[in-house]
Amino acid sequence: AQSVTQLDSQVPVFEEAPVELRCNYSSSVSVYLFWYVQYPNQGLQLLLKYLSGSTLVKGINGFEAEFNKSQTSFHLRKPSVHISDTAEYFCAVVRGDKIIFGKGTRLHILP
Amino acid sequence: ETGVTQTPRHLVMGMTNKKSLKCEQHLGHNAMYWYKQSAKKPLELMFVYNFKEQTENNSVPSRFSPECPNSSHLFLHLHTLQPEDSALYLCASSLAGGFIAFFGQGTRLTVV
Repeated sequence: AQSVTQLDSQVPVFEEAPVELRCNYSSSVSVYLFWYVQYPNQGLQLLLKYLSGSTLVKGINGFEAEFNKSQTSFHLRKPSVHISDTAEYFCAVVRGDKIIFGKGTRLHILP
Repeated sequence: ETGVTQTPRHLVMGMTNKKSLKCEQHLGHNAMYWYKQSAKKPLELMFVYNFKEQTENNSVPSRFSPECPNSSHLFLHLHTLQPEDSALYLCASSLAGGFIAFFGQGTRLTVV
């Protein structure tokens, strides 16, 4: 069965510093991977996706993620965060015809 | 604005009440979903509808009753809920067989 693990429940980072949010998945078949963002009092919004092709995926708001098959990882990165990036970030993987979400990582931007 | 609208945004109800949550999308999607988001838990898929037919019921208690009258509308009828049912209920839509779901802003439900 496919599952997704987000290793950090919270990540504090100073404004304008780089950030990496970690995600590992378990699967023995081809994978489709996603990152979603949830701003306070909002629903989830698709940030980026990996379906096939280039392993470096660029998303909205300056985020990118790299699919690493050997490490079964899909970590999310941004070179310089802004206060507006304060949100919860969810990694997700497809299992069958359903999307399975990780527990989420809350990104705290420190002034 | 994602194209998926949920009403109400907030709901407080007693354990003996009956209420309904509404979800509407005009994206041309034909699959709709209900998710439950509780504090410190992963998102839980509750129900899936494809072309108005329920294709997934993820062992949800019968006090939650979904209804999908057409591909654009999805309801979640609630009755005799428990305090532990308090959560954010998210609706999502996608093309059937597609993996990319658009989410509504959610209904924050509090059961007292």
